[in-house]
Amino acid sequence: QQPVQSPQAVILREGEDAVINCSSSKALYSVHWYRQKHGEAPVFLMILLKGGEQKGHDKISASFNEKKQQSSLYLTASQLSYSGTYFCGTSPLGIQGAQKLVFGQGTRLTINP
Amino acid sequence: NAGVTQTPKFRILKIGQSMTLQCTQDMNHNYMYWYRQDPGMGLKLIYYSVGAGITDKGEVPNGYNVSRSTTEDFPLRLELAAPSQTSVYFCASSYPSSGTDFFNQPQHFGDGTRLSIL
Repeated sequence: QQPVQSPQAVILREGEDAVINCSSSKALYSVHWYRQKHGEAPVFLMILLKGGEQKGHDKISASFNEKKQQSSLYLTASQLSYSGTYFCGTSPLGIQGAQKLVFGQGTRLTINP
Repeated sequence: NAGVTQTPKFRILKIGQSMTLQCTQDMNHNYMYWYRQDPGMGLKLIYYSVGAGITDKGEVPNGYNVSRSTTEDFPLRLELAAPSQTSVYFCASSYPSSGTDFFNQPQHFGDGTRLSIL
């Protein structure tokens, strides 16, 4: 079952904040977040495991709400370099060892000067 | 440090032709994956492998075959190409064989192969 990302697209001015959500109808073991710039390969951002943890580096952080089976990616004081399409990839409970991810449809983030 | 290398970068095929997309990694990763990405869409898992000699189907395996004879290489074979297989194909790898954090390994992607079937 493909996770659902929201919003599908967002346009910000440099310095503004953004939140991208990833929801699943299945119980999850982990959520991966990747960013992809146009014409390039996806680049890893972070992984969250079940247990409701929160992670972050620089001005990008994420949380995992196990009760809601939802992860949120937070981009604070956005920079031009944050532009791209953000994908979440989810791994259901029971096959965590294989990292057999199911990806959402993506959220396109545009940062304007 | 090459990481995951895919060849070719671009290819145009005629309907019914066959080809092999090559993928090799130099990070000694056990797990390797093939995804396809249609325009404006997310990644769909075609096949994956947890080690040499072991492969399994993903979400969209029809029309594709894989093999894994070595840790480094994971080629994807298209037999009887169809227009519906026009896509960008990404190979990825994860999980260092000597890793201690088994469940917390990111996937490293190659630059992709852009395939058009006409």
